[in-house]
Amino acid sequence: GQNIDQPTEMTATEGAIVQINCTYQTSGFNGLFWYQQHAGEAPTFLSYNVLDGLEEKGRFSSFLSRSKGYSYLLLKELQMKDSASYLCAVRDPAGGYNKLIFGAGTRLAVHP
Amino acid sequence: GAGVSQSPSNKVTEKGKDVELRCDPISGHTALYWYRQRLGQGLEFLIYFQGNSAPDKSGLPSDRFSAERTGESVSTLTIQRTQQEDSAVYLCASSLLGTGGPGELFFGEGSRLTVL
Repeated sequence: GQNIDQPTEMTATEGAIVQINCTYQTSGFNGLFWYQQHAGEAPTFLSYNVLDGLEEKGRFSSFLSRSKGYSYLLLKELQMKDSASYLCAVRDPAGGYNKLIFGAGTRLAVHP
Repeated sequence: GAGVSQSPSNKVTEKGKDVELRCDPISGHTALYWYRQRLGQGLEFLIYFQGNSAPDKSGLPSDRFSAERTGESVSTLTIQRTQQEDSAVYLCASSLLGTGGPGELFFGEGSRLTVL
């Protein structure tokens, strides 16, 4: 089957660091994505990992371990505008095409 | 256009009526996806198009749902005999695969459907 798990909610303080975890079980694997979604808006692309290790992009970093079926998104120097849902998604090439399967998302609330 | 465009942005309909939702992907994007997002929930995969073909329709909730894509461009999602549980935001996304990049999805703003 296909399953992607993330914590439902997290809270953090402005200026701090927060790590959002994602575990997955899919038929196949061809990349993992993180998206940010503000309330009432469309998801926007944050990061992509296909090989093991850490990808850094400004205040945001994403890590992948394929053997463990595990990823995390690290947000540094949190700002109030980072309050949003963070969606983990896995591209599953089973069947010869690429379907992106999303987790339920993690709602992050950043407090002053 | 510059981004993925969806219409209508908001649709209120009565139970039992048919609705059509339209998606205009980014020009040149070969892959097109439809997702459904209920209030406070994650994205539920509905259907995927590669060109004008839909290799995976497994996410369509019932035979009341159908979708087509023409000219490797515009796609229409049709819901017949709408039910209250169909109320959700329907998101369309497109991507460009096979160019060496990650092939990330670019989402439209969504069509919010309310079935009374």
